Amino acid sequence: EAQVTQNPRYLITVTGKKLTVTCSQNMNHEYMSWYRQDPGLGLRQIYYSMNVEVTDKGDVPEGYKVSRKEKRNFPLILESPSPNQTSLYFCASGGRAGNQPQHFGDGTRLSIL
Amino acid sequence: DAKTTQPPSMDCAEGRAANLPCNHSTISGNEYVYWYRQIHSQGPQYIIHGLKNNETNEMASLIITEDRKSSTLILPHATLRDTAVYYCIVGQYNNNDMRFGAGTRLTVKP
Repeated sequence: EAQVTQNPRYLITVTGKKLTVTCSQNMNHEYMSWYRQDPGLGLRQIYYSMNVEVTDKGDVPEGYKVSRKEKRNFPLILESPSPNQTSLYFCASGGRAGNQPQHFGDGTRLSIL
Repeated sequence: DAKTTQPPSMDCAEGRAANLPCNHSTISGNEYVYWYRQIHSQGPQYIIHGLKNNETNEMASLIITEDRKSSTLILPHATLRDTAVYYCIVGQYNNNDMRFGAGTRLTVKP
């Protein structure tokens, strides 16, 4: 079954404690991206990757890092989380061609205290 | 910024067709129209997409006007489970130019 898997699904942590949200897809997709969703602000893109070792900033990259060492994985790293990064996060993947849909994970709800 | 305009909310009676409009007057020739929906706080779910021609799948139909400046998503027999926020997006994500707007909150009522 085609899947985008995020872990953890829920996390409560404290300011400054580094965390990583993993994202894995089994569809051999080149394109992957991360979004955050906040009430009233909708889905905003954090980072994206067009292929292995190719990553770039989205619209709200501050405070986040990503890496793309393998095609299937695209972890989101918060080096020093702050309360304003409390949000619902989604990972997505898609094929190289522009006429293919993105597939989204089930989301990760982060609370930074 | 999103390149589409959608009504913020719509209601539909259960069993009736839900017709969700979307304006994308600045769409360019190689940009696709995608529709997604998000039920509660779940991940957005792909529904359908098209370039010029009307499209139909098991979930919905997509009608794109001849000038491509607007489209309509049709859920032929809406059920309560179709209550969700529906997003119309244009672009090509391999250009990373697809942005989610506020969408239309569809409420299907018994």
